[in-house]
Amino acid sequence: DAGVIQSPRHEVTEMGQEVTLRCKPISGHDYLFWYRQTMMRGLELLIYFNNNVPIDDSGMPEDRFSAKMPNASFSTLKIQPSEPRDSAVYFCASSFLGEQYFGPGTRLTVT
Amino acid sequence: GNSVTQMEGPVTLSEEAFLTINCTYTATGYPSLFWYVQYPGEGLQLLLKATKADDKGSNKGFEATYRKETTSFHLEKGSVQVSDSAVYFCALSDLMGADGLTFGKGTHLIIQP
Repeated sequence: DAGVIQSPRHEVTEMGQEVTLRCKPISGHDYLFWYRQTMMRGLELLIYFNNNVPIDDSGMPEDRFSAKMPNASFSTLKIQPSEPRDSAVYFCASSFLGEQYFGPGTRLTVT
Repeated sequence: GNSVTQMEGPVTLSEEAFLTINCTYTATGYPSLFWYVQYPGEGLQLLLKATKADDKGSNKGFEATYRKETTSFHLEKGSVQVSDSAVYFCALSDLMGADGLTFGKGTHLIIQP
């Protein structure tokens, strides 16, 4: 299995631009999670889905962030407009029966 | 709310030394507990887990015991190797992993030859 796939691996954008991060979970997994990692705040849960339905989005920092999961094999995290404080590594993880498998992450830099 | 506290390091040890990384937690109910490891430039990998009190998780020579009375899940290894150098995260889940994990800040471990 290829594991959780995230793209792009690195993204550099200017403040105010729209950013879309992509995730392909492991086939057969029924949960998908988006996390953000920063030096200051560590790893934080942003949102998670079960069977493509958002279950808890209380970690999404503000309305500039949105996430979708149109089908079992694809999810996006969008930031519009982006700000420098959004710079972080964004991880996607998927799970089945409780064990979460993480992707390699997308390093986002907003200048 | 839930929280996890762990020593942040960096922790520097010589090869073959004994390792302990402390982790304590605060949670309502009976969470599941996890240790994840992150190598440079990579995502997190599950190292071990325990789902109920007194369970011992173990993998690759690492082990941790779920201590409800002290709300702890300390990670130990008897003899570390240079290849163990990484960042280690303690985490908990209310629903055996079927919800978002609450992570500690991570402990950077450096093993010197």
